[in-house]
Amino acid sequence: NAGVTQTPKFQVLKTGQSMTLQCAQDMNHNSMYWYRQDPGMGLRLIYYSASEGTTDKGEVPNGYNVSRLNKREFSLRLESAAPSQTSVYFCASSEVFGTAAYEQYFGPGTRLTVT
Amino acid sequence: GENVEQHPSTLSVQEGDSAVIKCTYSDSASNYFPWYKQELGKRPQLIIDIRSNVGEKKDQRIAVTLNKTAKHFSLHITETQPEDSAVYFCAASSGNKLVFGAGTILRVKS
Repeated sequence: NAGVTQTPKFQVLKTGQSMTLQCAQDMNHNSMYWYRQDPGMGLRLIYYSASEGTTDKGEVPNGYNVSRLNKREFSLRLESAAPSQTSVYFCASSEVFGTAAYEQYFGPGTRLTVT
Repeated sequence: GENVEQHPSTLSVQEGDSAVIKCTYSDSASNYFPWYKQELGKRPQLIIDIRSNVGEKKDQRIAVTLNKTAKHFSLHITETQPEDSAVYFCAASSGNKLVFGAGTILRVKS
């Protein structure tokens, strides 16, 4: 099992460029998440997908879009990158049964720099 | 929505001493409280979790306690070792979203 995988590992963009971060999981989880991690601010939820076909905004969704392509894959798109989006991005997946949450498994992260 | 506060932001202990990290949460509906460890340049990994119907849980040198009335929970690490040095995050959830604390940098000095 590869668990949660993310591509790319590193990316440098110029202001205004666009890119898509890819995430895939092989644990048959229903729920998938995108977080950003900035120094001193913990992990902040950008978007999540509770199940295939659904997506919802998290705490910091502005400037991002997501697509739940199928049960395995959840992508994050930056349409017009800004320096404020310089961060480390983590994808995660988990099972959720009703209101009971379970362990979230994280990918290795993508380090994005916007100049 | 849920808000999670974590203290202290940094903690230095001598090898062999105990370390305690505390978190408070705001949403009384939260029912799942995991703790994650993140080593430098790595992904966060779960080290222990507790549900709202349990007051305490132990796993070897690590324990978590939960006080639902006061809405706070704590991570206790005993007999700390250099490999415990990392950033630790608490989180709270009332469904399919986790809200994380800002993290605690733990340094274990040998």
